[in-house]
Amino acid sequence: QVQLQESGPGLVKPSETLSLTCAVSGYSISSGYYWGWIRQPPGKGLEWIGSIYHSGSTYYNPSLKSRVTISVDTSKNQFSLKLSSVTAADTAVYYCARQEVGATPDAFDIWGQGTMVTVSS
Amino acid sequence: SYVLTQPPSVSVAPGKTARITCGGNNIGSKSVHWYQQKPGQAPVLVIYYDSDRPSGIPERFSGSNSGNTATLTISRVEAGDEADYYCQVWDSSSDHPRGVFGGGTKLTVL
Repeated sequence: QVQLQESGPGLVKPSETLSLTCAVSGYSISSGYYWGWIRQPPGKGLEWIGSIYHSGSTYYNPSLKSRVTISVDTSKNQFSLKLSSVTAADTAVYYCARQEVGATPDAFDIWGQGTMVTVSS
Repeated sequence: SYVLTQPPSVSVAPGKTARITCGGNNIGSKSVHWYQQKPGQAPVLVIYYDSDRPSGIPERFSGSNSGNTATLTISRVEAGDEADYYCQVWDSSSDHPRGVFGGGTKLTVL
């Protein structure tokens, strides 16, 4: 079955860049779907960060757009998130997820288990 | 920007019906998706495209969407349904299409 697994540092210093990778197994990214990143600060709700199509076209949350880059590596069957100039407000569990495609990017049907990232010196 | 409004909490007795609302401007014109999240776990899709159920989701879960309100209905509520529930849409109405989540509703089974 399709599985997603996030990986990356659990601790990032303020002002540095947060980098996470999502490895996809059981499905080829180049076959379709959007692939997204969502985060959840401790005790709070879900926030969409951005989504990327297998071709590389992207959508970003306007509130984060100046700091976010999402890329895809079809040869490794994975996609990545970079968030620059992080502050404590970026401390959260970060999820990667597969996103259905209808007329627009739609539901996130398969999620990774999530990875906690803490921003602290 | 597009805003989805959910009640912070809903309580229901076992065996009864829980209804969780998701309000948004003309949300009936959008596709609404619902997620269940239990403590320490990743969200799970329970309803997509307003009223479709992914495989493995019980028929007790249903959805509707009209006007300014979408509703997730859980019939014959069980203790295992206690969780946070989030609605989500894709907003294409502005120059910057985006994913939007509601603030979440904590379902408590009494």
